[in-house]
Amino acid sequence: SQQGEEDPQALSIQEGENATMNCSYKTSINNLQWYRQNSGRGLVHLILIRSNEREKHSGRLRVTLDTSKKSSSLLITASRAADTASYFCATAFNAGGTSYGKLTFGQGTILTVHP
Amino acid sequence: NAGVTQTPKFRVLKTGQSMTLLCAQDMNHEYMYWYRQDPGMGLRLIHYSVGEGTTAKGEVPDGYNVSRLKKQNFLLGLESAAPSQTSVYFCASSYGGFNQPQHFGDGTRLSIL
Repeated sequence: SQQGEEDPQALSIQEGENATMNCSYKTSINNLQWYRQNSGRGLVHLILIRSNEREKHSGRLRVTLDTSKKSSSLLITASRAADTASYFCATAFNAGGTSYGKLTFGQGTILTVHP
Repeated sequence: NAGVTQTPKFRVLKTGQSMTLLCAQDMNHEYMYWYRQDPGMGLRLIHYSVGEGTTAKGEVPDGYNVSRLKKQNFLLGLESAAPSQTSVYFCASSYGGFNQPQHFGDGTRLSIL
């Protein structure tokens, strides 16, 4: 399996601090995506980074990708209580054109931001 | 726009009963997916569809069937529910394949007694 694995499993910080979550995977990928899930809700897409990209930004989010180390990180700057959620990385690979958009999700990092 | 809508939101079944979960999307997406989410397991793909009239098996298809008779709808069926199928089920859709973000519904919480 080339399932992504997030680290840490849980992260607790104070409002205003930065939060960094890491994702490692096992096989070559086409792209890596980060999703957020609030309690009791569905997943919401945050950022997609392709295998030929090294860094992407979206507002307070910064994602890096190191394909040589098969790892990615998600940085949330100046965190807010509303950022409290679970964060998942998902990897997509193209197995000879048969992947058809299949994503493999990690187990997630639970982020708690205290006011 | 509603995005991806799942019905029902909650359901309790007895072992051996059958039911169908409905997913509807209003974004004209070609691809649709059914996942299950269990504690400590992340999301696992059950079945998916790359277009109207097509279905394919995902990672954990056993005990489930699907149908995509209309582009906007993707149905997940449990023919004979088992306690191991107690889970939260998520439907998702995407415009294209693996290069596109997936849009998720809010899930169906299913308990099998």
